[in-house]
Amino acid sequence: KAGVTQTPRYLIKTRGQQVTLSCSPISGHRSVSWYQQTPGQGLQFLFEYFSETQRNKGNFPGRFSGRQFSNSRSEMNVSTLELGDSALYLCAASVGGNTGELFFGEGSRLTVL
Amino acid sequence: GIQVEQSPPDLILQEGANSTLRCNFSDSVNNLQWFHQNPWGQLINLFYIPSGTKQNGRLSATTVATERYSLLYISSSQTTDSGVYFCAVFTGNQFYFGTGTSLTVIP
Repeated sequence: KAGVTQTPRYLIKTRGQQVTLSCSPISGHRSVSWYQQTPGQGLQFLFEYFSETQRNKGNFPGRFSGRQFSNSRSEMNVSTLELGDSALYLCAASVGGNTGELFFGEGSRLTVL
Repeated sequence: GIQVEQSPPDLILQEGANSTLRCNFSDSVNNLQWFHQNPWGQLINLFYIPSGTKQNGRLSATTVATERYSLLYISSSQTTDSGVYFCAVFTGNQFYFGTGTSLTVIP
């Protein structure tokens, strides 16, 4: 079965711009969560969507937002980019239960200049 | 929130050696997974192991939930085992990741 697909894989933006990242989960996996990974802060939880609703949210500013579509695909958006937003953004899918096994995509590596 | 600590932070092994990675967590959890992050950044599932012991080839894992720790064993290490190993625990409403163990296997 196809894995979790993230696009784009790499992108470069400048400060002040906005960016949209996409995640297509494994078929049948209705929960999608997003993580930010930086060398200094490690892996941090951004938010989780299930059935088009944001179910949980981490401690990130409002510039970070997301949504989920009826086919379970998810997008996250970062507005007014800052240098510190440079990171690897990882998407994970699970069947949906709170104890479900997570499956990760390959990530989107964002560089903000 | 819950604290997840991994040890050692860095590990260098000769090819063929065995190793044990540890994950301690500060509260009861509903789920625990081990991941290997490859050089391209993807997190690869190793084990879904909220409790008990599992084995997959040269790798095995044990979680003792009542004592709040998990161990990942790597036997007969190979250079392809190099990378960062993370444990992640689920409690409350989200997953929390440890800071990882960076493993380098030299030929």
